[in-house]
Amino acid sequence: DIQMTQSPSSLSASVGDRVSITCRASQGISESLAWFQQKAGKAPKLLLYAASRLQSGVPSRFSGSGSGTDFTLTISNLQPEDSATYYCQQSDSVPVTFGQGTKVEI
Amino acid sequence: EVQLVESGGGLVQPGGSLKLSCVGSGSVISGSAMHWVRQASGKGLEWVGRIRNSVNNYATAYDASVRGRFTISRDDSKNTVYLQMNSLKTEDTAVYYCIRRSDYHATDPFDFWGQGTTVIVSS
Repeated sequence: DIQMTQSPSSLSASVGDRVSITCRASQGISESLAWFQQKAGKAPKLLLYAASRLQSGVPSRFSGSGSGTDFTLTISNLQPEDSATYYCQQSDSVPVTFGQGTKVEI
Repeated sequence: EVQLVESGGGLVQPGGSLKLSCVGSGSVISGSAMHWVRQASGKGLEWVGRIRNSVNNYATAYDASVRGRFTISRDDSKNTVYLQMNSLKTEDTAVYYCIRRSDYHATDPFDFWGQGTTVIVSS
């Protein structure tokens, strides 16, 4: 199974900041990586897929990069509504696996 | 608007069975791969399994933790996917989500999620 390691596990930042979350796969997954945002009591929401493609309707302050084993989610100009837990996910092979999550506090 | 609605969750004793359903609006399910993901309270996301579309022979795959106990099936004529859960364990307690995904490439997004249904396994 491909292990996904996210860091940090949590972070605290201020409105307007730029923050980055990294995700490392235990083996190469090309660009088969997605990022999800989850708020308390809600289903996860797709932010980016194929490592860097922004899902329709997602603000452009969210961006993704990387390929192979190392990936980054960047949130620019952090907003209060970005307070949530963020997960990376690999879909290169089954079992599909998720990172352990990063809690972002504003 | 695309919608997925799960149902069938509830309280069940260890060793019992439960069948979850996921109904999609329109023909969102037909032609798609359908996945199930679960989340225990306060924990992260855990993939349960998936069923592919007819072109891919409805192939199924499961996480090792549920293989042999859970079965995913689908009825495209009813726009419905099912998760049959047998021999339930307390560690299966979670919110279960169904997710739609295009079935062409490894980069296809998991773009539509249901609201989740809660399964509690307890005596």
